Amino acid sequence: EVQLVESGGGLVRPGGSLRLSCSASGFTFSSFSMHWVRQAPGKGLEYVSAITHDGGTTYYADSVKGRFTISRDNSRNTLYLQMSSLRPEDTAMYYCVKDVYGGNWYYFEYWGQGTLVTVSS
Amino acid sequence: DIVMTQSPDSLAVSLGERATINCKSSQNILNSANNKNYLAWYQQRPGQPPKLLIYWASTRETGVPDRFSGRGSGTDFSLTISSLQAEDVALYYCQQYYTTPSFGPGTKVDIK
Repeated sequence: EVQLVESGGGLVRPGGSLRLSCSASGFTFSSFSMHWVRQAPGKGLEYVSAITHDGGTTYYADSVKGRFTISRDNSRNTLYLQMSSLRPEDTAMYYCVKDVYGGNWYYFEYWGQGTLVTVSS
Repeated sequence: DIVMTQSPDSLAVSLGERATINCKSSQNILNSANNKNYLAWYQQRPGQPPKLLIYWASTRETGVPDRFSGRGSGTDFSLTISSLQAEDVALYYCQQYYTTPSFGPGTKVDIK
């Protein structure tokens, strides 16, 4: 059974940093692209960041470019999102998402339950 | 970037009746090389993460009831629930993956 378990969310002040983690199990983690998708309270889905199976290619939405860094440790079956210079508009549930393939970006086969990030003073 | 739009924003349908959601992409998302439309549909029930329903515009994910169907090509797509059940109350999102993935704004489905 595929499981994606996010952690690391919480309350942080504007300008602060957080590192989200996503622990994956039930599939060969190193074979698949992974994504982060966020959802602000009461809002729709926003595509944030992605990384190919080997970490060779990454993507960032313009809204987070230069502030967020996606990475993965295939030996630990873990996906990360390092977030810095956080803004109130980054407040959202952050979902870890498994792609159906390992190279380019396709559709999203499995979603974690999410971890809530709140940026507020 | 490809912009996805959905209509209506919300709809209320009686139990057992048909619900149809429309999705439009700002650019063609049909790949003529493989004749596949790079479109997926997701369902998000209250308090839950999204769940994949349909991919390649019309292929139902394993385990998804056959009352859910997707159709369309090019830039215009639709998701139909043929006979609405109580458990279908949710937000529905379309997503294109022809280029960097992007989502539609969502359509809320309720019971009338």
